[in-house]
Amino acid sequence: DGGITQSPKYLFRKEGQNVTLSCEQNLNHDAMYWYRQDPGQGLRLIYYSQIVNDFQKGDIAEGYSVSREKKESFPLTVTSAQKNPTAFYLCASSRDRDRAKNIQYFGAGTRLSVL
Amino acid sequence: SQQGEEDPQALSIQEGENATMNCSYKTSINNLQWYRQNSGRGLVHLILIRSNEREKHSGRLRVTLDTSKKSSSLLITASRAADTASYFCATAVFMEYGNKLVFGAGTILRVKS
Repeated sequence: DGGITQSPKYLFRKEGQNVTLSCEQNLNHDAMYWYRQDPGQGLRLIYYSQIVNDFQKGDIAEGYSVSREKKESFPLTVTSAQKNPTAFYLCASSRDRDRAKNIQYFGAGTRLSVL
Repeated sequence: SQQGEEDPQALSIQEGENATMNCSYKTSINNLQWYRQNSGRGLVHLILIRSNEREKHSGRLRVTLDTSKKSSSLLITASRAADTASYFCATAVFMEYGNKLVFGAGTILRVKS
């Protein structure tokens, strides 16, 4: 069953705590992305990675960190510096050689709430 | 700020009717894509139109692109209750370290049976 798996589906964060959202893909895609979605809004790019061991900040990277040690994995850490972390987080991937298209494939999302 | 702006924000129609959603954007693009999101789920790619294309069809979907007006429209014909979802336009922008999609705020479509 190919695709993108995000876990957990729901996550609760206590004040001052760092939490990590998992994103795994078995599509053999080179590029991976993290988005944040707030109610009634579109997706905003947090971080993206075009290749293993390299990643770039998106539009709202402050308070977040990522790593890309393996092609299939792109975990996102929401740090205590992110003061308003409650949102729906979506991970996506795309084939780098489809650069002219950049069609993205999405996971089912993780809903993060603050206790 | 968001690149794309969808219009209307919400649309409610009867099953069998057509649904039209519009998207406007601000900068030059390589392509424009439409995605669908069911409530509480991830996005699913529907259709892509390149900047040098004016119209594209896929099943019951028809997309138009007017680069002079920086706008696009998505038409869903003969709508079904299962089409109820949020629909987002996304513009593909190339950057130094790869490319990214810039999403609009979406149109919520409700199809009543």
